[in-house]
Order: sequence, then structure tokens, then C-alpha cells
Amino acid sequence: EAGVAQSPRYKIIEKRQSVAFWCNPISGHATLYWYQQILGQGPKLLIQFQNNGVVDDSQLPKDRFSAERLKGVDSTLKIQPAKLEDSAVYLCASSLVWGQGAGELFFGEGSRLTVL
Amino acid sequence: AQKVTQAQTEISVVEKEDVTLDCVYETRDTTYYLFWYKQPPSGELVFLIRRNSFDEQNEISGRYSWNFQKSTSSFNFTITASQVVDSAVYFCALSEVATGGFKTIFGAGTRLFVKA
Repeated sequence: EAGVAQSPRYKIIEKRQSVAFWCNPISGHATLYWYQQILGQGPKLLIQFQNNGVVDDSQLPKDRFSAERLKGVDSTLKIQPAKLEDSAVYLCASSLVWGQGAGELFFGEGSRLTVL
Repeated sequence: AQKVTQAQTEISVVEKEDVTLDCVYETRDTTYYLFWYKQPPSGELVFLIRRNSFDEQNEISGRYSWNFQKSTSSFNFTITASQVVDSAVYFCALSEVATGGFKTIFGAGTRLFVKA
């Protein structure tokens, strides 16, 4: 079974530039999450999708961050314009909604962003 | 409100020692799930265990064991006879059932160093 795919693995940009991250979840997983993990901290939820609808984006800085999940499969997370404090690893995860294993998060390898 | 506290930032042990990682959580829900995830130096978070709020039985899996106590809102993780390969950051997580699936938050993590 293929895992959660993310790209790019690494990205270095200057502040005020834009960046986009892509995620392909495990096939059949209705729920998709984007987490931000700053060095030395635990993952912080940015946005959660159920199929192609947003169910929680309360911690997404909407003035600069946006995310979409077209057709309920792949998702992109965009930052525009980036700030220095956005330097972090952006983790995508997916999970089942119901049944055995529901709620268990499967993570991708993450996209490490450095903002200079 | 949801909250997960991992008071131990870093723990260092010598190989073959036993080590316990503490996790204390807060929730108003009666139905919830608790998880432990491991993040090795490679960076990808890996699921270790899931416990639901109605099952307080302790669990053992090889060298790993988990102690869930609702009375103290704790879900502690013990590694017996630690090995160098256990060196990683360990995260405790709390999931509550929400619209569109589960809402999961993570603790700040405990970094475990196992020295040979």
C-alpha cells in the first residue's frame, strides 16, 4: 500500500515570496490534515479536510495561508507571502473516518521550508 | 479544551535501562482516543498505539508498554531494556470525535537519547 506522498521535500525561499506544497493521501482515506511542525515543537494542526470540504481551519493564518483539496484526493497548501516565522516542516497526514484504525494518522515525510 | 502535556523535554538513558515517558491530557469529551507516535531522526511520524477512552487495560507490545489511567488523565509509555534504535522524539496525541472525523492535537514531544 502506497503511503502519503508529499513534495517538495525541501524548499528555501526569501521572505515575501510564495511557496506551494503538494500532498497525495493514502487511497480511500477521506480525511486529510496539514500540520506545521516548528523545530523542537509538536505538530500543530493548520487545516483538516473531509473529502473536499474544510472541517477545521481555525488555526490557519488565512491572510497568508490557503489550502484546497480538489476532488477529495490531492491537496495543496500555499503560503503567500512567506514570513521568517513560517520556517518549519509541513506535514500532511491522512486517516480513515470509520472502522478499525479510524483516527490513526498516516504521515508523509514532510516538506521542510526555510524562509530567509 | 483539548490539551496534551509532555513535561519531559529530553531524557537520556544508557542502553538496557527502562524508561517511562509521561503524558497528561485534558478533554471535556467522554469519548476520545489517545495515541503515541514516534519520530525518528529521518523525520516521518510513525504510529505506535491507539487507546480509546473506554478501554483502560494496559497494553504490552514487545519491549513497549502503555499505562492508561483515566483517574489521573495520564497515558504513559514505558520502554523496557532500551536500545539505541529507540532514540527518537515521541509524541502523545489526543483525538476527539468531531464533525468530519477526528480532531487530533499533539503534545510537545519528548526527545529520548539512548546511549550505547
